[in-house]
Amino acid sequence: AQTVTQSQPEMSVQEAETVTLSCTYDTSENNYYLFWYKQPPSRQMILVIRQEAYKQQNATENRFSVNFQKAAKSFSLKISDSQLGDTAMYFCAFMKPANTGNQFYFGTGTSLTVIP
Amino acid sequence: ETGVTQSPTHLIKTRGQQVTLRCSSQSGHNTVSWYQQALGQGPQFIFQYYREEENGRGNFPPRFSGLQFPNYSSELNVNALELDDSALYLCASSLAPTGAQGTQYFGPGTRLTVL
Repeated sequence: AQTVTQSQPEMSVQEAETVTLSCTYDTSENNYYLFWYKQPPSRQMILVIRQEAYKQQNATENRFSVNFQKAAKSFSLKISDSQLGDTAMYFCAFMKPANTGNQFYFGTGTSLTVIP
Repeated sequence: ETGVTQSPTHLIKTRGQQVTLRCSSQSGHNTVSWYQQALGQGPQFIFQYYREEENGRGNFPPRFSGLQFPNYSSELNVNALELDDSALYLCASSLAPTGAQGTQYFGPGTRLTVL
């Protein structure tokens, strides 16, 4: 069974600083997708960044980047130049595509607070 | 472009009742997924529908069922409600089930309370 683990329930960072959120996953699959989602207090989930497992290059979206270590099954999110609007719950997610139907797994989340 | 919408926003039911939650997918999206998010937890995958057919199911009992309509909107039905069904139910749509077009866009959710 696939599992996604986020070992940091809460984190805080000073505005303009950099913070890294950790995520590890367990799978025997070779083809899969990884995601980081942000859920602000207003609760609508927003995609932050995605990574295809077959791509070696780490995904980057503006201030957000990932460190994807496939062998170690690690997928951390780095937020640079943190802004107050980055305060939210962050979820790491894993998707396993399959002919029998896709499966999605989310971690328990990391609550990030950006301090002015 | 209209985003994913869900109705109702909040709902209160009693144990044993049945409930139907609704989701309108983003324009052009043919795939809809449903999640249950208990308080303080990550979303749990219930099932996915692609072109009106179920295309993957998580570890939920058969009393959780769904439908997808020709316009790709979707319903989640839960029978014989239990107290543990109290949660935020999220709907997400995507252009395709997987691949580069499989990126999911979430709705605001329906908060279900079972008394």
